[in-house]
Amino acid sequence: DAGVIQSPRHEVTEMGQEVTLRCKPISGHDYLFWYRQTMMRGLELLIYFNNNVPIDDSGMPEDRFSAKMPNASFSTLKIQPSEPRDSAVYFCASSKSGGPSTGELFFGEGSRLTVL
Amino acid sequence: GNSVTQMEGPVTLSEEAFLTINCTYTATGYPSLFWYVQYPGEGLQLLLKATKADDKGSNKGFEATYRKETTSFHLEKGSVQVSDSAVYFCALRSGANSKLTFGKGITLSVRP
Repeated sequence: DAGVIQSPRHEVTEMGQEVTLRCKPISGHDYLFWYRQTMMRGLELLIYFNNNVPIDDSGMPEDRFSAKMPNASFSTLKIQPSEPRDSAVYFCASSKSGGPSTGELFFGEGSRLTVL
Repeated sequence: GNSVTQMEGPVTLSEEAFLTINCTYTATGYPSLFWYVQYPGEGLQLLLKATKADDKGSNKGFEATYRKETTSFHLEKGSVQVSDSAVYFCALRSGANSKLTFGKGITLSVRP
């Protein structure tokens, strides 16, 4: 089975531009998480979904950030307008409730964003 | 609330040295505990886990024991290899809230 798939792997953009990051979770997983990783702040949870419904978005930095999950196999994280301080690696992860793997998150390889 | 505290890093060891990375936690209820590893340029992946007190998780020569009395989940390996160089994250998951709480992570570098 394919793992969590993220795109793009690398994105370089200029301040003020819109950025859209994409994620395809593992089939059958009912939780999806977006994390941001920087040297200064470490790993931060931005938002997570259960059965496509946002459960906790308290980690979303500000209104410039938005996330959607229109169906069980796709999610987007959008930044509009982007700023240099948004430069980070953004990870998507999915998990399945119940069963022996409960609690295990499966991470994608990340999208490295650089805002100039 | 839930929190995870990891020892300060980075840690540099010679190959075949003994490794201990400390992790303590604060949680409501009875959490499950995890160690995740992130190799350079990759996402995090589960290394091992323990779901109840006194459980020992183990994988790839790494071990960690869930100690409820000391609220700890220290990671150990008897003989590290260069390929173990990575960032290690301790994490917990507690109650009906299904999000993981991660520690800050610690970078391990193993010299040949």
